[in-house]
Amino acid sequence: EIVLTQSPATLSLSPGERVTLSCRASQSVSTYLAWYQQKPGQAPRLLIYDASNRATGIPARFSGSGSGTDFTLTISSLEPEDFAVYYCQQRSDWPPITFGQGTRLEIK
Amino acid sequence: QLQLQESGPGLVKPSETLSLTCTVSGGSISSTSYYWGWIRQPPGKGLQWIGSFYYSGSTYYNPSLKSRVTISVDTSKNQFSLKLRSVTAADTAVYYCARRKIGPPYYFDYWGQGTLLTVSS
Repeated sequence: EIVLTQSPATLSLSPGERVTLSCRASQSVSTYLAWYQQKPGQAPRLLIYDASNRATGIPARFSGSGSGTDFTLTISSLEPEDFAVYYCQQRSDWPPITFGQGTRLEIK
Repeated sequence: QLQLQESGPGLVKPSETLSLTCTVSGGSISSTSYYWGWIRQPPGKGLQWIGSFYYSGSTYYNPSLKSRVTISVDTSKNQFSLKLRSVTAADTAVYYCARRKIGPPYYFDYWGQGTLLTVSS
C-alpha cells in the first residue's frame, strides 16, 4: 500500500498570502496524484488531477506540481473561501486507492 | 447534472451489518467510462477508500476491509449499495459515494453529500 504523508498538519495564514502544501508518497506514483479541498460539512472537491492539471471550474490561483514521490499544491494568493482541509490521493497502484491525512489551512 | 445521494439507517448496533445505498441521477452507472465507489471519513479524521465497482461486474476493495465488505449494483434502479459486516465503533463515519472517471480527470469528480453512520448499542 502506498502511504501519502502530508505536511504540515496545520497552517495558519492570512488572506492574500501565498501557500505551499506538501504531499510525499512512500514510493513513486509517477504523476498519478490528485488534490482535493474539503470544507466543513461538505464532500471533498477535486482541485488538481495528475499532479498539475486543474479540474473543471478551479481558479487559476490553484496549481500543482511534482512527480515521483514529492508533490506540492500552491495557492498563489489566499482568498477567504480557501481556508479548508486539503487532501492528496494517489491512483498509481490500487487497490487500495489511498489518501493523505490532510492539511488544515486556517485563518491567522 | 449528475447527482449522487446516499441513504441508510443512521444507526447500527455493534456486530450487525451496515447497509447503505447510493442513488445516481443524471447519469448511468452502466456507463463504460466510470468506476463508482464508496469512501468514508470518521468524525474529525481523514478519508478512507472502501471500494469501487465497474459496470462489467468487477469490484475492487480496500484490503483492510475486504473480508467484511460487499458492493452490489442494481442497474434497474441506477443504484449501488455497500454492505459492511460485523461493525464496531471504529466504523462510525460519514460515508460518501462517488464517481471516478476512467479518462481525465481520472479521480473522484462527483460525490454525494455523505451520510453519517453511527455504530452504537
